Amino acid sequence: QQQVKQSPQSLIVQKGGIPIINCAYENTAFDYFPWYQQFPGKGPALLIAIRPDVSEKKEGRFTISFNKSAKQFSLHIMDSQPGDSATYFCAASIRGATNKLIFGTGTLLAVQP
Amino acid sequence: EAQVTQNPRYLITVTGKKLTVTCSQNMNHEYMSWYRQDPGLGLRQIYYSMNVEVTDKGDVPEGYKVSRKEKRNFPLILESPSPNQTSLYFCASSLTTGREKLFFGSGTQLSVL
Repeated sequence: QQQVKQSPQSLIVQKGGIPIINCAYENTAFDYFPWYQQFPGKGPALLIAIRPDVSEKKEGRFTISFNKSAKQFSLHIMDSQPGDSATYFCAASIRGATNKLIFGTGTLLAVQP
Repeated sequence: EAQVTQNPRYLITVTGKKLTVTCSQNMNHEYMSWYRQDPGLGLRQIYYSMNVEVTDKGDVPEGYKVSRKEKRNFPLILESPSPNQTSLYFCASSLTTGREKLFFGSGTQLSVL
């Protein structure tokens, strides 16, 4: 119930491609869905976040699509660059619970030149 | 510069030898948390603290202790480390709750032999 399922585990795309990372959840009490980006040797950093009252949010080349009825959300990276190569984590938190985010298992993205 | 500082960066120890991983933040954040990152399992919360002298268990607290005597510091203590605690550890902080933007440290890679 409190899990966030993330796929794929790893992903390789060519420069300019559009990698898509998917996450799914069961608990309808989740109401905040951030994505974190982690470069090798670094801690994760907040990339973009969405709340369920909108279906899409864009920040630069990064877009979150949210499907409330399907309980799924995804990250799209437009015109991907080798510098986007990183591990991406989706996460969710529960309305009223202030203590934590529940993270997905991560997706290792490699963007080839 | 606003940051979360963890030390040490790498640590190799033997089973049963007590160790402490330090964490300090300079952003006057109330919320601090420890996560462990393992391949295929993502980020799992160990302990968190909502303020000074207020700590609580996360999802995987067994074998760990924490304390929050000062707002800026949140050390992680392994009193009798075991090989299954070999992992990459991250400290994180946010302004007031775990639902907000988390600022992560650079991580501590721990190996317990």
